[in-house]
Amino acid sequence: DIQMTQSPSSVSASVGDRVTITCRASQSIGNYLNWYQQKPGKAPKVLIYAASSLQSGVPSRFSGSGSGTDFTLTISSLQPEDFATYYCQQSYSTRTFGQGTKVEIK
Amino acid sequence: EVQLVESGGALVQPGGSLRLSCAASGFTFGSYAMSWVRQAPGKGLEWVSAISGNAVTPYYADSVKGRFTISRDNSKDTVYLQMNSLRAEDTAVYYCAKDYYSGSGSFHDYWGQGTLVTVSS
Repeated sequence: DIQMTQSPSSVSASVGDRVTITCRASQSIGNYLNWYQQKPGKAPKVLIYAASSLQSGVPSRFSGSGSGTDFTLTISSLQPEDFATYYCQQSYSTRTFGQGTKVEIK
Repeated sequence: EVQLVESGGALVQPGGSLRLSCAASGFTFGSYAMSWVRQAPGKGLEWVSAISGNAVTPYYADSVKGRFTISRDNSKDTVYLQMNSLRAEDTAVYYCAKDYYSGSGSFHDYWGQGTLVTVSS
């Protein structure tokens, strides 16, 4: 099975900060990597698919990059509504989520 | 408007069984694979199972293989998750999700609100 490891597990940041979250796969997955945002008590929402494609309706401050085993989600200027937990997910072989990264208010 | 509505969550004893349902609307149901994803209280997301649009191919996480069975009825626009031999560690909110194939893998583009399964004596 493919394992997904995110870092950091949590990050404290201020509005306007640039935030970067990384995700590493245990084997090469090409660009079969998605990013989701989840707020407390709500279902997740897809932000980025195929490593770098922005889902319709998602603000352009969110971007994704990477291929193979190493991937990055970047929030260019953190907004109040972005405080949430973020998950990566591989779809190369069945599906696996990373353990999540909580973005908290500093 | 795409809607996914899960039902069937309940309190069940260890070793028991439960069947979850997810009623879909707002899209051509039989054209899309569907998945179940769960989240234990205070924990992260865990993909559980998926089924192709034509119901031919099911997929399972190792943690549920042999205990859970996914199925779908395209005439009723509904996907099911039959859960047998339930364990305490199966306690979670179970989400139904629609899969979208992008050409570079797939992702869950719509999610239900979730249904809570509690396994406890």
